[in-house]
Amino acid sequence: DAGITQSPRHKVTETGTPVTLRCHQTENHRYMYWYRQDPGHGLRLIHYSYGVKDTDKGEVSDGYSVSRSKTEDFLLTLESATSSQTSVYFCATRPPLMNTEAFFGQGTRLTVV
Amino acid sequence: AQSVTQLDSQVPVFEEAPVELRCNYSSSVSVYLFWYVQYPNQGLQLLLKYLSGSTLVKGINGFEAEFNKSQTSFHLRKPSVHISDTAEYFCAVSDQGQGAQKLVFGQGTRLTINP
Repeated sequence: DAGITQSPRHKVTETGTPVTLRCHQTENHRYMYWYRQDPGHGLRLIHYSYGVKDTDKGEVSDGYSVSRSKTEDFLLTLESATSSQTSVYFCATRPPLMNTEAFFGQGTRLTVV
Repeated sequence: AQSVTQLDSQVPVFEEAPVELRCNYSSSVSVYLFWYVQYPNQGLQLLLKYLSGSTLVKGINGFEAEFNKSQTSFHLRKPSVHISDTAEYFCAVSDQGQGAQKLVFGQGTRLTINP
């Protein structure tokens, strides 16, 4: 395992509140990703990072922002949570070498009520 | 851009029977191909990957997959399944470029093994 810790593991929040999910890795992997998993959609990429302070949007980035101030931490923020953001969120990392797979955290189950 | 289609959302099979989970992809560039497995309430774990070379790829837990470039497919197979193989399986692709090699996933196939 690549030593990826997501926190919190479960969260219930109210519509309109800000929420931040944290991904912490101990492997010094260059690339980090945030995905959301929804039934019938598989995993969809929200944002990704290719280094400290270098981030870019993924397929479903609306309503989300990210920050990466240190190699080991990648934060996902929902500025104003909506019920459509109820999902399971996965962080993944990948080392800088080519031909390598991504490693996934255990996930955060977020419920927006 | 790439896309992945997993042709079956659910596959029920009996224990010790063979199984095939189907995956087709679309891409305008060369890709790497992956199968991940997700056990209940867990993250994703890599089963196997195709990068280049032999089109038959062997993975963990007795699974294998065959890359077929002409049919743009990467079907996953196991000759004899066990109860412990009950899980959701995801096919994924990434481009072969030097950048972030973002993974694009299929919708998932839920494999249920019945005794």
